[in-house]
Order: sequence, then C-alpha cells, then structure tokens
Amino acid sequence: DAMVIQNPRYQVTQFGKPVTLSCSQTLNHNVMYWYQQKSSQAPKLLFHYYDKDFNNEADTPDNFQSRRPNTSFCFLDIRSPGLGDAAMYLCATSRDRTDTQYFGPGTRLTVL
Amino acid sequence: GEDVEQSLFLSVREGDSSVINCTYTDSSSTYLYWYKQEPGAGLQLLTYIFSNMDMKQDQRLTVLLNKKDKHLSLRIADTQTGDSAIYFCAERGVSSASKIIFGSGTRLSIRP
Repeated sequence: DAMVIQNPRYQVTQFGKPVTLSCSQTLNHNVMYWYQQKSSQAPKLLFHYYDKDFNNEADTPDNFQSRRPNTSFCFLDIRSPGLGDAAMYLCATSRDRTDTQYFGPGTRLTVL
Repeated sequence: GEDVEQSLFLSVREGDSSVINCTYTDSSSTYLYWYKQEPGAGLQLLTYIFSNMDMKQDQRLTVLLNKKDKHLSLRIADTQTGDSAIYFCAERGVSSASKIIFGSGTRLSIRP
C-alpha cells in the first residue's frame, strides 16, 4: 500500500515554463518535506511544512515554492525552470519533526 | 558543521557479506539511519539506530555504532543481486532536529 505518492513519476518541461510536482500521503503525518537530488548526489532539503507552518532552507532558490492546501497534499512549484533544475524531486513525510522520514518514489524532472 | 561521509563504491560477491561504512561529525547525533535507493526510485528506510545503542540487528542487516569514533556501519549478510542499490547513511543532530544530513551514498554492486 503506497503511503507517500508522487505524481507524475516523470515530468518533462521546457526552459522557463512553470511546473508543479505533486505529493500526497496516507499516513496523516504532520510534516512534509521536499528534497532535490541530482545524479550521484545526496538528497538536498529544499523546505518542509510542519502542519501549515512553512520552513524554507536558507540556500533554496526563490524559484522554488511550495503549497500545502491540506494535511494530505503538498506541491512543489518551480516558477521558471532552468537546465540546472533537472533532477529527481523527492517528497518525504514524518509524524513529527524529529521522527523518521518516509520517502515517496520521486519525480524525475527533465528540462528541455 | 555537520557532515556525513561514505565511500562511493563497494563490490561484493553474491553470497558474501557486505559492509558499508559511514563517518559523521556531529557528536550530538540522536538517530542514525540507513536508506536504500534502487535505480530511478525513492529512498527506502532500511533501519535506524538510536545513539545510545551499539548494535541493532534486523534479519540480514546488522548496524554497528561506534559513538566514540563517530563511525556507523551496515552489514548485509548473504548479499543477493536484489541488494544492488545506493545506500545512504544519514544522521539527525540535536542542533537541527528537523533536518537529517545525508552522506553522498555508497553504490553496492554484486558480482556473480
């Protein structure tokens, strides 16, 4: 049973064309995270939501935004994708900030 | 700052044991994790250990923690072809309890 679901699994967009990636969870966890993972690198935390409270990492570019309309869903918006934004985007959830994080399967973003 | 280091590659023969090593710098780490990532997939939590433990065993997996040396290892007994993946070590510190720091991953390959 899928617990953290990401759609789509593969997304192709054009340079500069806004794109939205989706994450949903059936765990009723309070915290949802977005990570960016480039090839052969560790996942890099972009931001997280604790309930409705948004927490941005200091080095996350302004080009990346997020929305969490309810407990189950969280979206990653890339306003003007550049070639350097091509990566795997991973969503994760945890019951609380200090609890174990559970990851979705990821969305691979290609920028043409 | 916090840092987690792993060797990039490990090759073992099918049926042998694999030992993946990790070192970390944050002496206040509370939890240490091992995640597995298969090609094109998200991160799967394999196991974790609390910092006041020395060892944790779960079926074929054994985690050893040497807190004095800040060294963590994951042993996979009877390594199978399905164990081929990238293994990420990660730690959660006290200073940034909502954030886990990942190593760059060890790619495990299995030879017949």
